[in-house]
This record gives sequence, C-alpha cells and structure tokens, in this order.
Amino acid sequence: DGGITQSPKYLFRKEGQNVTLSCEQNLNHDAMYWYRQDPGQGLRLIYYSQIVNDFQKGDIAEGYSVSREKKESFPLTVTSAQKNPTAFYLCASTSRGSDTEAFFGQGTRLTVV
Amino acid sequence: KQEVTQIPAALSVPEGENLVLNCSFTDSAIYNLQWFRQDPGKGLTSLLLIQSSQREQTSGRLNASLDKSSGRSTLYIAASQPGDSATYLCAVLRTGNQFYFGTGTSLTVIP
Repeated sequence: DGGITQSPKYLFRKEGQNVTLSCEQNLNHDAMYWYRQDPGQGLRLIYYSQIVNDFQKGDIAEGYSVSREKKESFPLTVTSAQKNPTAFYLCASTSRGSDTEAFFGQGTRLTVV
Repeated sequence: KQEVTQIPAALSVPEGENLVLNCSFTDSAIYNLQWFRQDPGKGLTSLLLIQSSQREQTSGRLNASLDKSSGRSTLYIAASQPGDSATYLCAVLRTGNQFYFGTGTSLTVIP
C-alpha cells in the first residue's frame, strides 16, 4: 500500500532531551512537510523540503531540525531548545505541479514528562 | 500572507440532515483547494481536491465548490450520518508548494 508512515505514534521526552520523529513515504513524492497541531489552532508549518538535500524553514522552525538525505525520508528532530514541544506532529507529502494533492501520515503525539 | 477561515468552528446536526461547511481565503491566487477530514488523534484524510480551473468536485455524498474570485469554497454533505462526525479542514495551495490551512469545523451528527 502506498502512503506515509509516521513513527512512533506516541513519544515522551524528558526535559533537555532531543527526540527524533520518523516520516517515511513510498508515494515517490518530491515534497515533504512537517506540521505542528495544537488544540484549537490550525496546522503550523515547521519545515518543508521540495527535493533531496534541500529544505526550508516554515513559520515555527525554532527549536526543530530536519534532514532530507533520501527522497522517501524526512525525519524531524525536536531539540532541547524547543521550550514547548508537547503537541501533535503531522508529516505530509505532495507531488509537484498545480494538481498537487497532499497526503498525511497518522501523526505522532509528543509529550514532555 | 494567505489567511484561511472556516465558519462555523463547530456544528451539531441531527442525522439525515444536509449541511454546508464554509471556507474562505484572502488571496485568490491559488493553485488548488483541498478538503480534509480529521478524526480525533488521527492524521488528515483527503476528501476532495479542486483545481483552480474547476468549479466543483463530487465524491459520493460530498460535493465541494470553489469560487476563486470571491475567495470561497463550500463542502456540502448530503444525508449526514453519525460516522461523518469529525473535524473538517480546508487548505489552499499557493506558489512554492505552500499549503495554508483553516482551523477547521468540528462536526457532530446526532443519531
């Protein structure tokens, strides 16, 4: 089945720790995205990548880092510099072009303990 | 910057009723508009994609329309069912493959 897989589904982070969220797609999509979703708020863009080895900051990139070494993979690291990391994180991918349809993974819920 | 608004924020209807969800956007220079469904604690599931040159798209009991000039889209759900209960989000795609999302409409269909 083609799709986007995020892991883990639940993640707990201690204060001062870095954690990495995984996102893998087998849709052969060029572009991949990370969003953060908080209760009562819309999706906010953290980082996006249009092509391998290239990525751009979104609206709330501070405290996060990404890499795009392979077309299929776009991991997100939540660093200790992110002071309020508890949220629901969503990964998405799209093909190029104006008929681009976005597909999402099932999300990772990160909680600081 | 593109802003996307969805009204109402929450909606409760009895089963069987037809309903309309609204999405408005401030900049009409879009490539397409997409409607999603999100169940609690889950990711987004794509419902309908309308390209900028299209006026509407249909899938089963769902019909989405797009009026670029007025910056509006509607999602029409016919004969609502309890299984339709979820949050519905719209998103517009602009240049640079950037999506802009609304905050969603939380729909409850009462049996």
